[in-house]
Amino acid sequence: DSGVTQTPKHLITATGQRVTLRCSPRSGDLSVYWYQQSLDQGLQFLIQYYNGEERAKGNILERFSAQQFPDLHSELNLSSLELGDSALYFCASSGHSGANVLTFGAGSRLTVL
Amino acid sequence: GQNIDQPTEMTATEGAIVQINCTYQTSGFNGLFWYQQHAGEAPTFLSYNVLDGLEEKGRFSSFLSRSKGYSYLLLKELQMKDSASYLCAVRENGGANNLFFGTGTRLTVIP
Repeated sequence: DSGVTQTPKHLITATGQRVTLRCSPRSGDLSVYWYQQSLDQGLQFLIQYYNGEERAKGNILERFSAQQFPDLHSELNLSSLELGDSALYFCASSGHSGANVLTFGAGSRLTVL
Repeated sequence: GQNIDQPTEMTATEGAIVQINCTYQTSGFNGLFWYQQHAGEAPTFLSYNVLDGLEEKGRFSSFLSRSKGYSYLLLKELQMKDSASYLCAVRENGGANNLFFGTGTRLTVIP
């Protein structure tokens, strides 16, 4: 157990729908990151939050949004879902000292039918 | 921006040594990371280099040359459980701590 908790583990939905993925970081970590991994693709950086504020943005579609709450958990909202959004969505967290290693959660597998 | 290159697949024999290379181009380098990822599972941290040279951690070592934009991960005494994808990732300057990943090298260890 990495200490980063993601729910749900699996989600199946239809095109056009909206889903919310949830992430709780490791205790003490202020930063949360979201990554998308499609089949046989690399990890694509979506967005980073630090202590409630957006810190960096990657290739995140306009249909996707995220936020980090005062208790530091984060949610990734995916709307108007398309078949191509089917992927593993990973959340990671880190502290801000030393190497600031990202620790990943087990991921949420989204299937859009 | 960043461009990270790794071989797509490699095969090696149990007990042998394998070297996985990674080349990168980035506008402001601030660290290179290696992660291991078994299929369908979370990436797990293996090593971190920010200065040139070799970092050794048990059976795994990682090397960095910043002037060449080059790193390698060396796995010794290969075991069947080492069959996994190995992801090279770079962190850029600028305050944010996010990592940019290559597409990974899928290593298959055969008996």
